[in-house]
Amino acid sequence: GESVGLHLPTLSVQEGDNSIINCAYSNSASDYFIWYKQESGKGPQFIIDIRSNMDKRQGQRVTVLLNKTVKHLSLQIAATQPGDSAVYFCAENKSNQAGTALIFGKGTTLSVSS
Amino acid sequence: SAVISQKPSRDICQRGTSLTIQCQVDSQVTMMFWYRQQPGQSLTLIATANQGSEATYESGFVIDKFPISRPNLTFSTLTVSNMSPEDSSIYLCSAAYNTGELFFGEGSRLTVL
Repeated sequence: GESVGLHLPTLSVQEGDNSIINCAYSNSASDYFIWYKQESGKGPQFIIDIRSNMDKRQGQRVTVLLNKTVKHLSLQIAATQPGDSAVYFCAENKSNQAGTALIFGKGTTLSVSS
Repeated sequence: SAVISQKPSRDICQRGTSLTIQCQVDSQVTMMFWYRQQPGQSLTLIATANQGSEATYESGFVIDKFPISRPNLTFSTLTVSNMSPEDSSIYLCSAAYNTGELFFGEGSRLTVL
C-alpha cells in the first residue's frame, strides 16, 4: 500500500553542523512532497515543499532534494541550531488529484547539542 | 499561511463519553482534513471533511465513531464518540489551499480515563 518512511528515527548533531534527514516513499504516482517540523506540544509546521517536476528546492537554510528514480526525499538543514531540535516528517500527497490529503512518514527526531 | 484554531486544546474525559473538537480557519480553504497522532507516532489521516456533505473516511475509521461536520468553508468539527483509553491521542485539524500546501492547527490533546 501507499506509505512514506524515514530511514532513521533519530539524528544527533552538533550546533553549526549540517543535518540531512532522509525519507523513502513508495507511491510513484505522488507528485507533491512536503517536509514538516513538529516541536513538542505543537502542531506540524510547514517547512518546504517540492513538486515532482523538480529535483531540488531551496529555502532559508533548508534544501529539499527529490530523487524520483529511487523514490527518495531528503531535507538538508544548514548550520543547524538548537532551535532546529524537533521531529521532522516527510509527507506525500495521497494521489495526484488536486486537494488530496497527505500521507506522513514515521518521523525523525533531530537533537542539536551546543 | 492559514491560521487554524482548534478547541479544546486539551481535555481529560471519562470512558464512554463523547467529545467534540472544533476547528476554525481564518480564510476560505478548499479542503479540510482531520488527523490523529498517537503518542510518539506519526500522523494518520482520519477523514476528509467535505463541505455540506458526509465526510470521506479512511480505512479503519467510521462515521459512527468519528462523526465530522463541515457546515461552511472555514469551520469543521470532529466528534470522538463513546471514548475508550485507546482514543487517547492528539487530534489535528488541517486545511489546504488550491496549491496543495497543508497547514495544521496546534492539535487537541485528548486523554481518556
